[in-house]
Amino acid sequence: DAGVIQSPRHEVTEMGQEVTLRCKPISGHNSLFWYRQTMMRGLELLIYFNNNVPIDDSGMPEDRFSAKMPNASFSTLKIQPSEPRDSAVYFCASSLSGQGGTQYFGPGTRLLVL
Amino acid sequence: EDKVVQSPLSLVVHEGDTVTLNCSYEVTNFRSLLWYKQEKKAPTFLFMLTSSGIEKKSGRLSSILDKKELFSILNITATQTGDSAIYLCAVRTGSSNTGKLIFGQGTTLQVKP
Repeated sequence: DAGVIQSPRHEVTEMGQEVTLRCKPISGHNSLFWYRQTMMRGLELLIYFNNNVPIDDSGMPEDRFSAKMPNASFSTLKIQPSEPRDSAVYFCASSLSGQGGTQYFGPGTRLLVL
Repeated sequence: EDKVVQSPLSLVVHEGDTVTLNCSYEVTNFRSLLWYKQEKKAPTFLFMLTSSGIEKKSGRLSSILDKKELFSILNITATQTGDSAIYLCAVRTGSSNTGKLIFGQGTTLQVKP
């Protein structure tokens, strides 16, 4: 089992640039979650999908953030334009309905916006 | 507003000590409480608790939930340096099969030799 796959693992960009983070959930899982983790705010849920449909995006900080899940095996989180305060580790997690909320996390993407 | 609060925020102990980490919550539509361990990378799953008073155990780690008082504890006995990590508590809410997880701030545990 490959686990949740995220890319890139590290991203350094300049303020104003577009950033796209990618996630491949565990095969067969039908729920996908995007989180952001910072020292100041801890781990925050940004958005989650169930069967490729966004269920709750109330954690998305601003219109600069958008997420898509075009199919069951791929999701993107896009930041446009990026700002220094977006610097954080972004985690993707997936779960299987009926497991009662056990989410399996990817390795994370460490984003630094200069 | 749903919230999950962990205490202490940080803890330093010596190998062999026993530690108790606390997690209290105020949420609507509680479904389950989960504990995760995060070392240098992503969180890894430890326990899921849904019923009060039933202890879950894995080696030196154990956890229990009190749904009346709205809290959970995570115990680690005979701590080892490898237990050093951030321990995250999360509460699952929502009416769907998966819902969303609300995380506490985490407790940073450092175990000294």
